[in-house]
Amino acid sequence: QLQLQESGPGLVKPSETLSLTCTVSGGSISSSSYYWGWIRQPPGKGLEWIGSIYYTGSTYYNPSLKSRVSMSVDTSRNQFSLKLSSVTATDTAVYYCARQELYSTTWRAQKFVDPWGQGTLVTVSS
Amino acid sequence: QSALTQPASVSGSPGQSITISCTGTSSDVGTYNFVSWYQQHPGKAPKLMIYEANKRPSGVSNRFSGSKSGNTASLTISGLQAEDEADYYCCSYAGNSTLIFGGGTKLTVL
Repeated sequence: QLQLQESGPGLVKPSETLSLTCTVSGGSISSSSYYWGWIRQPPGKGLEWIGSIYYTGSTYYNPSLKSRVSMSVDTSRNQFSLKLSSVTATDTAVYYCARQELYSTTWRAQKFVDPWGQGTLVTVSS
Repeated sequence: QSALTQPASVSGSPGQSITISCTGTSSDVGTYNFVSWYQQHPGKAPKLMIYEANKRPSGVSNRFSGSKSGNTASLTISGLQAEDEADYYCCSYAGNSTLIFGGGTKLTVL
């Protein structure tokens, strides 16, 4: 069955860039049926969609984070990555990577998010 | 892009039914049937419970059901059990390959 695993530093200094990688196992990231994305959850708060990437490299970002977010995909390693620049304490959160099923290849609307990685806590602090 | 609106908390006794609402706008819930619901226990990743407003993934109990009317989607849990105590989040497609989540609802089983 498909599994996703986040990896990256658990501590990032303010103003620096947060970098995370998600490794996909049990299936190919090069499927036309899915987006791959990042969702975060600040401690004690709700979920926030950060962005999604298609295996071709097309990206879609939350407008509120767009100026600071960059995502990439490495199909040879079955991985995709997140970079969030100029972080502050408000970026402290559990970051989840997840797969998003698409309605069709011609209308790439995300129907739902499943499965999710276990999540990784990233703390922004000096 | 504001979060979908959910009640902060709901509660019910074992065996009862509860409903959690999720209110969006004509730009998301009101236009698309791509509303999904997630259950999250403390310290765990969210789990998909309902997709496309009223469909249940295999393995999810039929005590969970979903519906949508206009700009509001709803999750109903019947025959409440202690294990249902968790946080619940709705999510909607919002056009242009974007997603929006609700603020979350804490379900307490009394």
